[in-house]
Amino acid sequence: AQSVTQPDIHITVSEGASLELRCNYSYGATPYLFWYVQSPGQGLQLLLKYFSGDTLVQGIKGFEAEFKRSQSSFNLRKPSVHWSDAAEYFCAVGSADGLTFGKGTHLIIQP
Amino acid sequence: EADIYQTPRYLVIGTGKKITLECSQTMGHDKMYWYQQDPGMELHLIHYSYGVNSTEKGDLSSESTVSRIRTEHFPLTLESARPSHTSQYLCASTSGGPRETQYFGPGTRLLVL
Repeated sequence: AQSVTQPDIHITVSEGASLELRCNYSYGATPYLFWYVQSPGQGLQLLLKYFSGDTLVQGIKGFEAEFKRSQSSFNLRKPSVHWSDAAEYFCAVGSADGLTFGKGTHLIIQP
Repeated sequence: EADIYQTPRYLVIGTGKKITLECSQTMGHDKMYWYQQDPGMELHLIHYSYGVNSTEKGDLSSESTVSRIRTEHFPLTLESARPSHTSQYLCASTSGGPRETQYFGPGTRLLVL
């Protein structure tokens, strides 16, 4: 069975600083990987996804993620965060039956 | 912009009541899903459907039931609500296989007293 680990429950970053959110997955075949963002009281919005090809994928809102098969990782990055990026971020792996999510990382932005 | 709707957005109800959470999508998607999310926790898949008259249980055992009589509609029912059912319920849909984006509704926050 697939699983996703997000080792950081909370991360605090100063506005304008760079960001990296970690995600490790366990999956038997080529994984379909996703990053979603959830603002308070809202549903989930897709930031980006990977299923093949270039291992560096670009998403919305200036986010990117890099797939590293050797490390079973799919870390999310942003060069300069904005206060509006404060939210909960979920990494997920897709299968025929649906998505398996990590526990999420809560991102706090300091002024 | 995804067109997937959930009602009600918030529901406070007493123990033992029957409730139905509504989910509708206007994108013509065949696959639909229900996830349960406790505060500050990950989402767990509780039900999914491949299309009309198809329903399957997800990874997390749930006392809720679902039906899929129409493509656009995927309601979730609790016959007798209990405090342990207090959670957020998120509905999602997708057009295809595991590489396709799932579009999420805004969720229903349920509080059972």
